[in-house]
Amino acid sequence: AQTVTQSQPEMSVQEAETVTLSCTYDTSESNYYLFWYKQPPSRQMILVIRQEAYKQQNATENRFSVNFQKAAKSFSLKISDSQLGDTAMYFCAFMRGSGNTPLVFGKGTRLSVIA
Amino acid sequence: NAGVTQTPKFQVLKTGQSMTLQCAQDMNHNSMYWYRQDPGMGLRLIYYSASEGTTDKGEVPNGYNVSRLNKREFSLRLESAAPSQTSVYFCASCDFSWSTEAFFGQGTRLTVV
Repeated sequence: AQTVTQSQPEMSVQEAETVTLSCTYDTSESNYYLFWYKQPPSRQMILVIRQEAYKQQNATENRFSVNFQKAAKSFSLKISDSQLGDTAMYFCAFMRGSGNTPLVFGKGTRLSVIA
Repeated sequence: NAGVTQTPKFQVLKTGQSMTLQCAQDMNHNSMYWYRQDPGMGLRLIYYSASEGTTDKGEVPNGYNVSRLNKREFSLRLESAAPSQTSVYFCASCDFSWSTEAFFGQGTRLTVV
């Protein structure tokens, strides 16, 4: 079974600063996908960024980027130029690459951006 | 484009009552999922349906049943609600054949008293 661990229950960052959220995972699969989802106070789950395990290049989406270390099974999210709207719960998630399999989520990190 | 629609958004039940949470998606996705979210626990999978006509248990299936009524709809039933089922429930859908992105409904906040 796959497991996803987020070791930081809560974090805070000053507006315009950079913050990194940590995620580690455990799997014996070679083909898989990793995701970061954002959940603002509205409760809506929003995909922030995804990474295919077979790609060596780290994914980036505007101010969001990941540091994917496959050997270490680590998948951290870096948010640059933090904005007040980034305040949310962030969930790291894993999906096997072998078909229509469910997402496995970490417990989440609550990020507060402070003005 | 509605995406994934869950009903109701809020519900209060008494212990022992039954109810069905409805979920429908209009994206022609093969796979649908039910998760529950509890503080400090992340999202945990209750049941999923990889395709129409199939359902499988997830991590926390006890006390729940599901029905994949057709390709669009996937309902979650609580036969005899318990306070431990107080949670926020999310339905999601995905079609791996063209994208790995899962789309989520807005959630149902259920309180069992």
